[in-house]
Amino acid sequence: AQSVTQLGSHVSVSEGALVLLRCNYSSSVPPYLFWYVQYPNQGLQLLLKYTTGATLVKGINGFEAEFKKSETSFHLTKPSAHMSDAAEYFCAVSLNTNAGKSTFGDGTTLTVKP
Amino acid sequence: DVKVTQSSRYLVKRTGEKVFLECVQDMDHENMFWYRQDPGLGLRLIYFSYDVKMKEKGDIPEGYSVSREKKERFSLILESASTNQTSMYLCASSGGTDNQPQHFGDGTRLSIL
Repeated sequence: AQSVTQLGSHVSVSEGALVLLRCNYSSSVPPYLFWYVQYPNQGLQLLLKYTTGATLVKGINGFEAEFKKSETSFHLTKPSAHMSDAAEYFCAVSLNTNAGKSTFGDGTTLTVKP
Repeated sequence: DVKVTQSSRYLVKRTGEKVFLECVQDMDHENMFWYRQDPGLGLRLIYFSYDVKMKEKGDIPEGYSVSREKKERFSLILESASTNQTSMYLCASSGGTDNQPQHFGDGTRLSIL
């Protein structure tokens, strides 16, 4: 079984500041990890994913995430927040024993202040 | 680009009605999913399907059923709608391997009066 914990249901940053959204997972086998973004009244869109290989993963819109096995973490960062980054962000984990299902975190709402 | 289309963005139904939510994907994906999304509860899996006519219960299947007669289409059925089924419903699809991300529709906001 696997689980995902997103620390902080709401994060607020100023425009131009660093964005850090935290995600920790638990799984008994090597996981596949994803970050999705959801803008108001839309579905989720993939930001980035880690499957194998390089542990620092770059995604769309300047976001990146680093897979740290020793810390069971996959935190999402962006050096400089933009107003358009305001959205809800979901971390998800999938296992190769799970027939395509993912387990999603509860989400973190990012607010960007001018 | 993968497109997942949900038939309605907004839907209002009455208690006791049978409600159908339709979802179509255009990328020949094996897996399809139905979630509901409620404030503070994240995404909860209702049902998923890994092939035509195959389905598996998710975390909250009670009060719902599904149908997958064709690979591209996955329907969610509320057998007798109740007010506690008022929610945002999201459909998703993914390829056949577990390292594939899910592709989501824009959601159906369903209100049961």
